[in-house]
Amino acid sequence: GENVEQHPSTLSVQEGDSAVIKCTYSDSASNYFPWYKQELGKGPQLIIDIRSNVGEKKDQRIAVTLNKTAKHFSLHITETQPEDSAVYFCAAWDGTSYGKLTFGQGTILTVHP
Amino acid sequence: SQTIHQWPATLVQPVGSPLSLECTVEGTSNPNLYWYRQAAGRGLQLLFYSVGIGQISSEVPQNLSASRPQDRQFILSSKKLLLSDSGFYLCAWSVDGAAKAFFGQGTRLTVV
Repeated sequence: GENVEQHPSTLSVQEGDSAVIKCTYSDSASNYFPWYKQELGKGPQLIIDIRSNVGEKKDQRIAVTLNKTAKHFSLHITETQPEDSAVYFCAAWDGTSYGKLTFGQGTILTVHP
Repeated sequence: SQTIHQWPATLVQPVGSPLSLECTVEGTSNPNLYWYRQAAGRGLQLLFYSVGIGQISSEVPQNLSASRPQDRQFILSSKKLLLSDSGFYLCAWSVDGAAKAFFGQGTRLTVV
C-alpha cells in the first residue's frame, strides 16, 4: 500500500518568514495530493490540493509543488503569520480505493510574533 | 453547500461501557464516509469507510464497529470500551470517485 513520509515533524519560524513542509510517497500510481491544516481541538481543514497533471498550484500565501519523478511534494507558506500556527498534514491518494487517503504524520508549525 | 456534523464533541466513558458516535452530512447525496482516529494530536488512522448504505469496510482490526443506516449517516460503535479506545475520532466525507475529503470537528473520547 501507499506510504507517506512527512518532514519536519516540528517547524518554528518568525512571523514574516517562509515555511516549507515536505512529503514523499511510495506509490507511483498516486495522483492526488491534498494538504490539511488542523488547529487545536478541531478537525483537519483542506487548505490546498494538487493533481498529478500539474507541477505547482498557488492560493494567495500558500503554494504546493509536485515532483512526480522523485515522488515528493511540498507545501510552501510565505509571509507567515501567528494564525498559521497549527498542525499540517499531507496526504496521497492512489485513485483506486473509493477515495481513501494515506496521511503523513503531521508537522507542528509554530509562528512566533 | 455541504456540511458535516459530528457529535458529541467530548465524551468521557468508563471502561466496559458502550459507545455510539454519530456523523451526518448535509447537502450531498451518496457520499463516501470515513471514520478516522487520531492519537495525541498527530497521525490520522483510517478505521472504517463506507461507499453506500449498509456497506462498511474495516481497515484495522479493533474493538469498534461502524454502521451506515441512512445515506448520509455514519455511526461508530463499541459494545465494551477499552482504555486504548481513547482518542480523537473524526468523521469525513468525499464525493464518490474523488478523494477530496472534508472532516467534521471531531469527538474527544476519554475512556476511564
